[in-house]
Amino acid sequence: SAVISQKPSRDICQRGTSLTIQCQVDSQVTMMFWYRQQPGQSLTLIATANQGSEATYESGFVIDKFPISRPNLTFSTLTVSNMSPEDSSIYLCSVGGGGWETQYFGPGTRLLVL
Amino acid sequence: AQKITQTQPGMFVQEKEAVTLDCTYDTSDQSYGLFWYKQPSSGEMIFLIYQGSYDEQNATEGRYSLNFQKARKSANLVISASQLGDSAMYFCAMREGRGGADGLTFGKGTHLIIQP
Repeated sequence: SAVISQKPSRDICQRGTSLTIQCQVDSQVTMMFWYRQQPGQSLTLIATANQGSEATYESGFVIDKFPISRPNLTFSTLTVSNMSPEDSSIYLCSVGGGGWETQYFGPGTRLLVL
Repeated sequence: AQKITQTQPGMFVQEKEAVTLDCTYDTSDQSYGLFWYKQPSSGEMIFLIYQGSYDEQNATEGRYSLNFQKARKSANLVISASQLGDSAMYFCAMREGRGGADGLTFGKGTHLIIQP
């Protein structure tokens, strides 16, 4: 299984600021996925990041608010821009395991916006 | 319409009993995959089991098995001989269509509490 790390593990931010979350995988993967889990809720897919192309965003998520970088096959970043308290969530990155029968998640980044 | 429906927001079960967590799904794709994850209070997402739409046998992984009823679009998770450490949120999820290019759609989850 893939080993995924995320930085930071948690942060407290002021409204109006931006935070960049890093996701590092111990092996090369084609697709990386970013999810949001709002308090007490399920996970929602934000976007799919494919190395060498623009990220594909799900309905309700836009690039200006959640810009994503994917500079190589083991790394991606998600930025939460111009934050408001409604952005307080756990943000998780995820990768496939080689076949489509597995998908592994990083430990998540717990974000609190004041 | 919801793509993944988990109708049990919470369940209390006695230790050592078997548990069935319900999941129904909605898709028009012929090729899809169904996943179950466990999320303890620490927040990590732990992959439990996978069932492909073309798999004829129900998936099993240790104490976990998936009761896959394709005609009913049902993919229930069965945990045999429950343990206190099984207390957690459980999410059913689905991947549709284009293989690894698609992320997962999650249900709302079931909060399972195992009582001694």
